[in-house]
Amino acid sequence: QSALTQPASVSGSPGQSITMSCTGTSSDVGTFNYVSWYQQHPGKAPKLMIYDVIKRPSRVSNRFSGSKSGNTASLTISGLQAEDEADYYCSSYTTSSTWVFGGGTKLTVL
Amino acid sequence: QVQLVESGGGVVQPGRSLRLSCAASGFTFDSSSMHWVRQAPGKGLEWLAFISSDGSTQYYADSVKGRFTISRDNSESTLFLEMKSPKPEDTAVYYCVSEWSFGHWGQGTRVTVSS
Repeated sequence: QSALTQPASVSGSPGQSITMSCTGTSSDVGTFNYVSWYQQHPGKAPKLMIYDVIKRPSRVSNRFSGSKSGNTASLTISGLQAEDEADYYCSSYTTSSTWVFGGGTKLTVL
Repeated sequence: QVQLVESGGGVVQPGRSLRLSCAASGFTFDSSSMHWVRQAPGKGLEWLAFISSDGSTQYYADSVKGRFTISRDNSESTLFLEMKSPKPEDTAVYYCVSEWSFGHWGQGTRVTVSS
C-alpha cells in the first residue's frame, strides 16, 4: 500500500487561509469517507484534527475544516495563527482493511 | 480525560523479542478499537496494526505482518504489541492510538533496534 501524497510544505501569513492536499487512489481516499488529519508539533504526539473527511472533534478549533473530491482530500485552516505551525498528516482506510498515512506537510506561518 | 501510556521500549538487539504495552484510562476501553502507529526518526507516521474492541479481529501492515502481534487485555485496559525478530528499520517511536478514527494518542515509547 503506497503512502498518500502530500505536499512537503505550505506556508501562509497570520490571518490568511491555507489549504493542503492529500491525494490517494480509488483504493483508499476515493472509496471511503474515512480520511483523517493530524497535527504534530516537534517532539509531541500527533493530535486528531479532522476525521471522517469533514468531522471535527469538539476540542478542535472551527478554523480547521476538511473536504474531499474524488481521490483527493483537503484540509483548510482559516485565520492562520502562529501556533498552527506544525507538521500535518492525513490518513485513509483502504480496501485492504488497512490504513495508510501521507508523508506529511510542514506548515510554516510566515 | 483519556490517557494512553506506552511502556516497554528501549534498546533491543536484532532478532530479540520485545513487548510494548499501553495502559488506557479515562474511557471505556473494552468498547474501543485500537491501533499501533510508529514514527521513525525524522520520518512520517506509519500505521502498523489494528485490533477490534473485543480482540477478535486484527489487521496488519505488510511491513510487520508475521513479525508483530497486536493483542489486548480488556480486564486490565491494556493494549500490547509483541515484536518478534525486530530489525534495525523497526527503530522508531511507537504510539498507541484509540478508536477507529485515531481519536487519542499516547506520548509514545522509543524503540531502538541495534546490536
